[in-house]
Amino acid sequence: GENVEQHPSTLSVQEGDSAVIKCTYSDSASNYFPWYKQELGKRPQLIIDIRSNVGEKKDQRIAVTLNKTAKHFSLHITETQPEDSAVYFCAASNGQTSYDKVIFGPGTSLSVIP
Amino acid sequence: DAGITQSPRHKVTETGTPVTLRCHQTENHRYMYWYRQDPGHGLRLIHYSYGVKDTDKGEVSDGYSVSRSKTEDFLLTLESATSSQTSVYFCAISVPGTDTQYFGPGTRLTVL
Repeated sequence: GENVEQHPSTLSVQEGDSAVIKCTYSDSASNYFPWYKQELGKRPQLIIDIRSNVGEKKDQRIAVTLNKTAKHFSLHITETQPEDSAVYFCAASNGQTSYDKVIFGPGTSLSVIP
Repeated sequence: DAGITQSPRHKVTETGTPVTLRCHQTENHRYMYWYRQDPGHGLRLIHYSYGVKDTDKGEVSDGYSVSRSKTEDFLLTLESATSSQTSVYFCAISVPGTDTQYFGPGTRLTVL
């Protein structure tokens, strides 16, 4: 089955700097890659996603890149702000199945220092 | 929030007791999921359902059972709780065709 690895497990950046989180997946059939943000004590919430027919996607300060050949994808946050501090999870899914089973990485705890 | 609620939100129980967690959704979604979240492991799928009375196992299903007798309710049961089942449990739904999952608020379960 699918296995998703995520690095680093913790990341600390100065406010205004960029943050990059990297993930790898094992199942070449995976074709959907969402990223979730989870603030302390809250539920995970989708912040951006990318499908396998796209190499890059941007939404304001957040961007995700996908390299299908290498089976890795990354989250880039520019001009970080204290409210970006949270745990970020990458995930992979094979949208060909009828139940959209999603496998999550172990998470990255991002701290933005004012 | 996709109309998802979970109950109870917090529960403390003792080893060996049965526990049932409830996930309720108001938008008639077909697909529902139960995850557990533990430090260093992310979110791990316990069981999922693709319709009334249609359920299947996820990657960490041992010690858990589920039932879905109505579209809106997906129940997770720990038949005999163990300390290793202390965790935060999240229910989720997905919208077919979008692959996106939406999570409930979570239930923090402590097994003493």
